[in-house]
Amino acid sequence: GENVEQHPSTLSVQEGDSAVIKCTYSDSASNYFPWYKQELGKGPQLIIDIRSNVGEKKDQRIAVTLNKTAKHFSLHITETQPEDSAVYFCAARLIGGSYIPTFGRGTSLIVHP
Amino acid sequence: GAVVSQHPSWVICKSGTSVKIECRSLDFQATTMFWYRQFPKQSLMLMATSNEGSKATYEQGVEKDKFLINHASLTLSTLTVTSAHPEDSSFYICSAEVAGASTDTQYFGPGTRLTVL
Repeated sequence: GENVEQHPSTLSVQEGDSAVIKCTYSDSASNYFPWYKQELGKGPQLIIDIRSNVGEKKDQRIAVTLNKTAKHFSLHITETQPEDSAVYFCAARLIGGSYIPTFGRGTSLIVHP
Repeated sequence: GAVVSQHPSWVICKSGTSVKIECRSLDFQATTMFWYRQFPKQSLMLMATSNEGSKATYEQGVEKDKFLINHASLTLSTLTVTSAHPEDSSFYICSAEVAGASTDTQYFGPGTRLTVL
């Protein structure tokens, strides 16, 4: 089955700095990679996703890059703000396949004002 | 769009009682729903995958007689924790999948905090 590794487990930055969270996956068949943000006491919210036919996707201050050869993908947050503080999860799955999405262990991002 | 609701948002019950948690997709039909359990500061642990009109598929180690899942319609799935005990206290989260040829995007509910006394 798929295995997703996520690093770092904790990331502390100053407001305005950039933050990068990295994930690696094991199954080369995976073709869909979503990122979720989970605030304390709430369910995860999809913030951005990328499919295997694209190398990079950007949405305002967040971007995701994918390297299929190396089997890793990253979340980039620029100009971080205190409200970006949350736990971020990456996931990998095969669209249309029978296997379920596999999540990373999460990264706790703390943005200091 | 793609809103998933859960009810209740929190529940406190006595040991030995059963608790039902509802998960609804509000503005789309979900052929597949997932139930997760999350312990403090940990990742999401998949408990079961639920498909409308069929029996749920449980992950290894999850007792199907303890965690009853019913996916009666394309917009509703329920998780019943039977004979709850303090060790069942946790944050339970459901998600619903918007199925399609190019999507299969998963949207999560806000979670239900279960505390068993």
